[in-house]
Amino acid sequence: AQTVTQSQPEMSVQEAETVTLSCTYDTSESDYYLFWYKQPPSRQMILVIRQEAYKQQNATENRFSVNFQKAAKSFSLKISDSQLGDAAMYFCARYNTDKLIFGTGTRLQVFP
Amino acid sequence: GAVVSQHPSRVICKSGTSVKIECRSLDFQATTMFWYRQFPKKSLMLMATSNEGSKATYEQGVEKDKFLINHASLTLSTLTVTSAHPEDSSFYICSASVSGGRQETQYFGPGTRLLVL
Repeated sequence: AQTVTQSQPEMSVQEAETVTLSCTYDTSESDYYLFWYKQPPSRQMILVIRQEAYKQQNATENRFSVNFQKAAKSFSLKISDSQLGDAAMYFCARYNTDKLIFGTGTRLQVFP
Repeated sequence: GAVVSQHPSRVICKSGTSVKIECRSLDFQATTMFWYRQFPKKSLMLMATSNEGSKATYEQGVEKDKFLINHASLTLSTLTVTSAHPEDSSFYICSASVSGGRQETQYFGPGTRLLVL
């Protein structure tokens, strides 16, 4: 099965600190796309960051960056200088042919 | 840019009635839209892929006669839950890809909470 695994159901971080959320996936394709989505309490899904598998350089978006290890099929999200507004569910996803496959999510709590 | 809306945001209906949920791309055209279902504290489960002008493609286990999808224009897809029952109560989310753009990037609507009594 082409799955996406998030092994951390919950994580917590103190404001201004750094936290890393883990994600591993399974695929037989050589070219694909990986995403991290954020779902705050409003439940609106927000695209955080996007990585194209053929690019070796890790994607970054302001305080958000990824550690993409293609051989290990690992795609972790690092949030630097955490803010209270970062508290949310975070979903890792892989684009498979024509649809997104989501992981089970990691709930991130941010403490002041 | 790339804003997707859903209407209604929440709906309560009686068992046996049908409910229609609209998904609109506000500032772009979307050849392809997707419908997801999300149970409390769970991930998103893809129900079907909706293509403008053609029949939707349903995921395994999703009843096409139960969840009717119509994608009549490049900016509107509708999901109708027919003869709704309490087990259909859930959070329904749509998303859309920009026509001619990066099909792998989906923009999500704010979701619709359905409660069937």
